Amino acid sequence: AQSVTQLDSQVPVFEEAPVELRCNYSSSVSVYLFWYVQYPNQGLQLLLKYLSGSTLVKGINGFEAEFNKSQTSFHLRKPSVHISDTAEYFCAVSEAGTGNQFYFGTGTSLTVIP
Amino acid sequence: DGGITQSPKYLFRKEGQNVTLSCEQNLNHDAMYWYRQDPGQGLRLIYYSQIVNDFQKGDIAEGYSVSREKKESFPLTVTSAQKNPTAFYLCASSIEGAGGTIYFGEGSWLTVV
Repeated sequence: AQSVTQLDSQVPVFEEAPVELRCNYSSSVSVYLFWYVQYPNQGLQLLLKYLSGSTLVKGINGFEAEFNKSQTSFHLRKPSVHISDTAEYFCAVSEAGTGNQFYFGTGTSLTVIP
Repeated sequence: DGGITQSPKYLFRKEGQNVTLSCEQNLNHDAMYWYRQDPGQGLRLIYYSQIVNDFQKGDIAEGYSVSREKKESFPLTVTSAQKNPTAFYLCASSIEGAGGTIYFGEGSWLTVV
C-alpha cells in the first residue's frame, strides 16, 4: 500500500520569508498528488493538484509544488508567506488504477511569525 | 452552491449513547468517505462508499456504522462500542475513477460527556 511522509510536523517561519513543506510518497507507480490546507476547526481545502503534464503546479494563495518522480516527492513552496498562511497542510496521494483510494500524510503545522 | 454539508458542527454524547453524524453532498459524486482526525495523527479512514448500497471498512471501522441509501447522503453512526469517540470527523466525496479530487465538508466535533 502507498504511504505518504511529511517530514516536518511543525514549521515556524517569519512573515515574508520563503517556505518549503516536504512530502514524499512510497510507490513509484503512476500517482496523482494533492496538497490541502486546513484552518482550525474547518475541513480540508484543496490548494493544488498534479494529475499529469508539467511537473510544476501552481495553486491558490501563491503556493506551488513540484512533482519529482525520481525522488517520489511533491514539495510545497511559497516564496513569501503571510500571517494568514498559518494552518495545517496535508499531502495526499492516489494511485492510477486503484479507483478512489486516497492516502494522506500526517500533516505539517505551519506557523508564520510576525 | 455545490458542496458537502455536515451536521451538526458540535455534538455531545453521553456514555453508552449512539449518535449519528449527517453528511450530504450535491456534487453528484459517486464516492463518499468518513475520516476521523485526532490531534497530531492526521486523517484516518473509517468507512468509504463507491456506490449506493455498498460500502467498505477503512482502517478504524470498529465502533462505527454507515449507510448509503442515496447517492447524496452518507451518515455515520458512532456506536457505544466506540470507546474513545471524542474527535473531529470529516466527511468527503470524490468523482469515481482515477485522478478525481477528494473534497471535504467542514467537519463535526464529537465530544463524550
